[in-house]
Amino acid sequence: NAGVMQNPRHLVRRRGQEARLRCSPMKGHSHVYWYRQLPEEGLKFMVYLQKENIIDESGMPKERFSAEFPKEGPSILRIQQVVRGDSAAYFCASCGTTQETQYFGPGTRLLVL
Amino acid sequence: DQQVKQNSPSLSVQEGRISILNCDYTNSMFDYFLWYKKYPAEGPTFLISISSIKDKNEDGRFTVFLNKSAKHLSLHIVPSQPGDSAVYFCAASERLSGTYKYIFGTGTRLKVLA
Repeated sequence: NAGVMQNPRHLVRRRGQEARLRCSPMKGHSHVYWYRQLPEEGLKFMVYLQKENIIDESGMPKERFSAEFPKEGPSILRIQQVVRGDSAAYFCASCGTTQETQYFGPGTRLLVL
Repeated sequence: DQQVKQNSPSLSVQEGRISILNCDYTNSMFDYFLWYKKYPAEGPTFLISISSIKDKNEDGRFTVFLNKSAKHLSLHIVPSQPGDSAVYFCAASERLSGTYKYIFGTGTRLKVLA
């Protein structure tokens, strides 16, 4: 029973490039959350998605960031025109229908040069 | 405005003794709480949860206590083992329209000394 999978685990981008982070939820889970962790800080909520729907994106910057969770395939967090301040660890978590407990993936560490 | 606070950034405990990690919150509407353990370069691993209708939940060496009047929860690990050395995060959420949007504390780094 595979857990939450994220890829790539590490991503290096130059300023102005695009970053695409992928998350495959745990089998049977249809709810996906994205969090960002800056160095020495806790995890900050970005966006909550169900299949084909964005439910809550109140934690996501209004510009350059977008997320999707298509009917088929993984959830994607997309960052356009990356800047150095986007360097962080990005974690996704999934949960089942009861939604109380979220299970995290290993994270993608984005470094913007 | 930090709604969930872990005021101790680090804690050292001798192997075999009790580790007590603390967490305070400000929003009285929070009704579900989680504790996670995180090793470097890995994702957080779920440890234990507690609902606001309870004041204690136990799972093996891990016990979480909730004091709603003080808006305080704590995680007790006993006996502590070297493998418990990690960063521990508490998270709190209010159930809104069927969803849980968790607010995380900044973490406490636990070091268990052999």
